[in-house]
Amino acid sequence: GNSVTQMEGPVTLSEEAFLTINCTYTATGYPSLFWYVQYPGEGLQLLLKATKADDKGSNKGFEATYRKETTSFHLEKGSVQVSDSAVYFCALSESAGNQFYFGTGTSLTVIP
Amino acid sequence: GAVVSQHPSWVICKSGTSVKIECRSLDFQATTMFWYRQFPKQSLMLMATSNEGSKATYEQGVEKDKFLINHASLTLSTLTVTSAHPEDSSFYICSAHRDGGGGRAAGELFFGEGSRLTVL
Repeated sequence: GNSVTQMEGPVTLSEEAFLTINCTYTATGYPSLFWYVQYPGEGLQLLLKATKADDKGSNKGFEATYRKETTSFHLEKGSVQVSDSAVYFCALSESAGNQFYFGTGTSLTVIP
Repeated sequence: GAVVSQHPSWVICKSGTSVKIECRSLDFQATTMFWYRQFPKQSLMLMATSNEGSKATYEQGVEKDKFLINHASLTLSTLTVTSAHPEDSSFYICSAHRDGGGGRAAGELFFGEGSRLTVL
C-alpha cells in the first residue's frame, strides 16, 4: 500500500539555521511527491512538488529531491526565517485524481 | 492560481444540531473533492472522497449517516455534520483536485482554509 513517514517534531531552530525534515514513502506505482505547509490557523498550501525520480522541487528557498533509490523526499532550507514557522506535511499521490496520502506533519518553530 | 474557498471558517453550535460546511472551487471545476478532519497536532485524516453526481466514498470508520456529503455541482461540495456532539469538534478541511493535464503525474490538490467546528 501507499504511505508516508515523516520525522517527528516539533523542531525548533534559530533564525538562519539549516533545516532538514525527513520524509520517506512506500508506493505501489510511480507517485508524485509533495510538500504542503500549514501556517497557524490556515489551511494547507502547496510548497513544492516533484513528479518523477530525480526531479527537484523548489520554492521560497525550500528544496526537495525525489530519490527513488532511497524512497525519500527530504525537505531542506539553507537559512530559515521566523516566518517559516509552520507545520510541514509530506504527501504522495499516484495519479491524477487519485487520493493523497499525508505524513503526520512536522511542526517547525524558528526563534529569532 | 486555483482557489478553494471553505465556509464558514469557524462555527460554534449546540449539541444535537446539524452544521453544514461548504467547499467551493472558485476558478476551476473539480470532479473530485476530498474532506479531511484534523485533530490538534495531528495529520489530516481523510474522511471521504466526494464525487460530482454520485455518492461519496467514505473511509473505514467514518459514519456516512453522520457526515453527509453532497457534491451537486463541479464547483461545490458540502459536508453536513448531523446531530453534532462535542467529540465532533475538530478542524475540517476540504480539498479539490485539478487534473495535472495528462500522463500519470498527479495534479495539484488545492485546499480550503479549513472550518473549525466547536460543539458545546
